Amino acid sequence: GQNIDQPTEMTATEGAIVQINCTYQTSGFNGLFWYQQHAGEAPTFLSYNVLDGLEEKGRFSSFLSRSKGYSYLLLKELQMKDSASYLCAVRDPVDSSYKLIFGSGTRLLVRP
Amino acid sequence: GAGVSQSPSNKVTEKGKDVELRCDPISGHTALYWYRQRLGQGLEFLIYFQGNSAPDKSGLPSDRFSAERTGESVSTLTIQRTQQEDSAVYLCASSLVPAGLTDTQYFGPGTRLTVL
Repeated sequence: GQNIDQPTEMTATEGAIVQINCTYQTSGFNGLFWYQQHAGEAPTFLSYNVLDGLEEKGRFSSFLSRSKGYSYLLLKELQMKDSASYLCAVRDPVDSSYKLIFGSGTRLLVRP
Repeated sequence: GAGVSQSPSNKVTEKGKDVELRCDPISGHTALYWYRQRLGQGLEFLIYFQGNSAPDKSGLPSDRFSAERTGESVSTLTIQRTQQEDSAVYLCASSLVPAGLTDTQYFGPGTRLTVL
């Protein structure tokens, strides 16, 4: 079956670094996405990994290991505005739809 | 360069009524997706459109749910005889092409449906 796991909640301090983990088991794989979602708003795209390794984009980095079915999102120099839910999603090419299979999201609270 | 828009933003309805939710994708995006997000949960895939056809309807939870797309643009998700378990945020996303290696889905703000 399709399964994507991430921690439900995390708390971190402003200015610190936080790592949000995601493990997945899916029938197909064509890339892993991280989205940020503030309460009541649309998910916004953060990063995409399809090959193993680290992708860095400013304060955000994302890592992928396909052999381990594992990814993480690393947020550096945390700011209060980073308080949001972070959604891990795997793109599934089965049926040629390339739909995204989402985890339940990790709610991050950044404290002063 | 408008993003994906959805209407209404909020809809409250009585159990048993039909509702229609609308999505306007980003202009030129050929692929369109509908997802559902229940409170505190991740997004569930409902249906995918490529152009005006829907090759993947595998996520529609029952035959009360249907969707159409016209003019390779606007899409409407219809829920007939709504039930309380249909209460959720319905999100629409579009992408330029469905199978591009770095293709990204861009989401609208969603319609919050409450069935009383």
